[in-house]
Amino acid sequence: EAGVTQSPTHLIKTRGQQVTLRCSPISGHTSVYWYQQALGLGLQFLLWYDEGEERNRGNFPPRFSGRQFPNYSSELNVNALELEDSALYLCASSRQGSYEQYFGPGTRLTVT
Amino acid sequence: GDSVTQMEGPVTLSEEAFLTINCTYTATGYPSLFWYVQYPGEGLQLLLKATKADDKGSNKGFEATYRKETTSFHLEKGSVQVSDSAVYFCALSDRSSNTGKLIFGQGTTLQVKP
Repeated sequence: EAGVTQSPTHLIKTRGQQVTLRCSPISGHTSVYWYQQALGLGLQFLLWYDEGEERNRGNFPPRFSGRQFPNYSSELNVNALELEDSALYLCASSRQGSYEQYFGPGTRLTVT
Repeated sequence: GDSVTQMEGPVTLSEEAFLTINCTYTATGYPSLFWYVQYPGEGLQLLLKATKADDKGSNKGFEATYRKETTSFHLEKGSVQVSDSAVYFCALSDRSSNTGKLIFGQGTTLQVKP
């Protein structure tokens, strides 16, 4: 069974630009979660999508947004990039109603 | 709010030594508890889980028991290998609040020397 996949692997952007990160969940999983792992700040919950709807979001500004598509894949969009957005962005998926989350390899975003 | 506290690292052990990484939690509801492992340059892998008090999760020689009375979920392994060198995260998911999010500890770096 294929795991969670994320693209791209690495990304370098300039402050003020916009970025889109992509995630494909494990087959059969309907929930997708996004986390930010920034140096010194640990793992922070960003967003939860299930069945195409945003179910919960963490304590992040509105310039962090996303969506889930009918095939359950997801995008995370970050507008007006700031230096402190540099981090590893991790996507996870789970079966509906399950609390077990399975993570992808992450996208490393560097903002210069 | 809910929180997870792990022992500070880094933890440095010799191969075949016994490992304990302490984890305690605070939760108002009924959490499920997890250990994840992150190898250098990779994402998180689910190592083991426990969903109710006194459950023991185990995988690849690692074990952890859900202790409600001490609000703890300590990770143990009897004999570590160099390949176990990684960062270990304790996490909880509060089933009663249904927020979807995992709350993570700060992570403990384990280095195993030959």
